[in-house]
Amino acid sequence: TQLLEQSPQFLSIQEGENLTVYCNSSSVFSSLQWYRQEPGEGPVLLVTVVTGGEVKKLKRLTFQFGDARKDSSLHITAAQPGDTGLYLCAGAGRDDKIIFGKGTRLHILP
Amino acid sequence: KAGVTQTPRYLIKTRGQQVTLSCSPISGHRSVSWYQQTPGQGLQFLFEYFSETQRNKGNFPGRFSGRQFSNSRSEMNVSTLELGDSALYLCASSLESGSFLNTGELFFGEGSRLTVL
Repeated sequence: TQLLEQSPQFLSIQEGENLTVYCNSSSVFSSLQWYRQEPGEGPVLLVTVVTGGEVKKLKRLTFQFGDARKDSSLHITAAQPGDTGLYLCAGAGRDDKIIFGKGTRLHILP
Repeated sequence: KAGVTQTPRYLIKTRGQQVTLSCSPISGHRSVSWYQQTPGQGLQFLFEYFSETQRNKGNFPGRFSGRQFSNSRSEMNVSTLELGDSALYLCASSLESGSFLNTGELFFGEGSRLTVL
């Protein structure tokens, strides 16, 4: 069974700090996506990474896809309260079924 | 343009009852997929419909079913409800089936929160 393991499960930090969250698997994925979900809403796509070793930046967010395409990371610089939310990684499994990690719940304290 | 619309937003049922949830995708999107989200298991794939045909199905019992209409609107049904079916049910639409595999984007609705008593 293909799984995406996200860590940490919960993270609470002060505004202005930097943080990194991880999405790991023992399986190779052709692409991975990161979504952010805020309370009472559905997930919203942040980025898609496709090429092993790829790095994408979205303002203060930096996404990296591992060289072997088995893992990904999300780094946030100078976190702000607006970054609070549930961060989910997702990949397409071998049988085309979409697999989500359980997410990292991030809380930024003002 | 209007986003993905799910109805109802909240509902309470009792064990043994059945429930039908509705999803209207973004205009022009032909693929609709359904997910169950719980604190313990996270987001789990239920099924995907494209052009009124079920394209893929997750590992859920037969009590969970769905369908898609010619206008791409989709419904999912859960029969003989159990306490463990309490969850947020999310629907997502995309332009084409397998969009995800082609780095496409899933557009999610706000979900239907089901509580089973």
